[in-house]
Amino acid sequence: DGGITQSPKYLFRKEGQNVTLSCEQNLNHDAMYWYRQDPGQGLRLIYYSQIVNDFQKGDIAEGYSVSREKKESFPLTVTSAQKNPTAFYLCASSIGQIPLVSEAFFGQGTRLTVV
Amino acid sequence: GDSVTQMEGPVTLSEEAFLTINCTYTATGYPSLFWYVQYPGEGLQLLLKATKADDKGSNKGFEATYRKETTSFHLEKGSVQVSDSAVYFCALKRRNTGNQFYFGTGTSLTVIP
Repeated sequence: DGGITQSPKYLFRKEGQNVTLSCEQNLNHDAMYWYRQDPGQGLRLIYYSQIVNDFQKGDIAEGYSVSREKKESFPLTVTSAQKNPTAFYLCASSIGQIPLVSEAFFGQGTRLTVV
Repeated sequence: GDSVTQMEGPVTLSEEAFLTINCTYTATGYPSLFWYVQYPGEGLQLLLKATKADDKGSNKGFEATYRKETTSFHLEKGSVQVSDSAVYFCALKRRNTGNQFYFGTGTSLTVIP
């Protein structure tokens, strides 16, 4: 089945450690996104990528890094510089700018907790 | 810049009540508009979409009409069920914005039997 797979579903990290969240899609989509969701809040864009080997910062990129070496994969690293990393992280993909109507498809999310 | 404003929640309704969740947007041109639903602990699922003025998106008894004159895309359902309890997000996507989506803050709906 086509879709987006995020792993792991739950992740625990000690303070001062870097951790990488996985996002893989088999929809052949060009665009991929990472969002952060905090309790009772909406989605905030961390990074997005329109094509392989290219990505742009979103609204809250500080303390995060990404790579886009393959079309199918868009991993997110939460670094020790991120002051408050405990949150629910959502990965999404979309066909691209054309057609404009293309919606975003979301993974099931990764809940990261700093212990 | 582009933005989406949703009615604040939480919203609590009795089963079979009528639902309206307001959504207005700010964007130049003619964006595509979307409603997503999120169940606890899960990702977002597309509920419906509309791509041009006066289009009506519909799915599972939910409807929303793209109103350019009022820049709105209100979500409605005639008779809600307990299973509709979730968080609902309004979103827009406009050409020439780097393929970005803009989401509202979400509206939590609880339906009680």
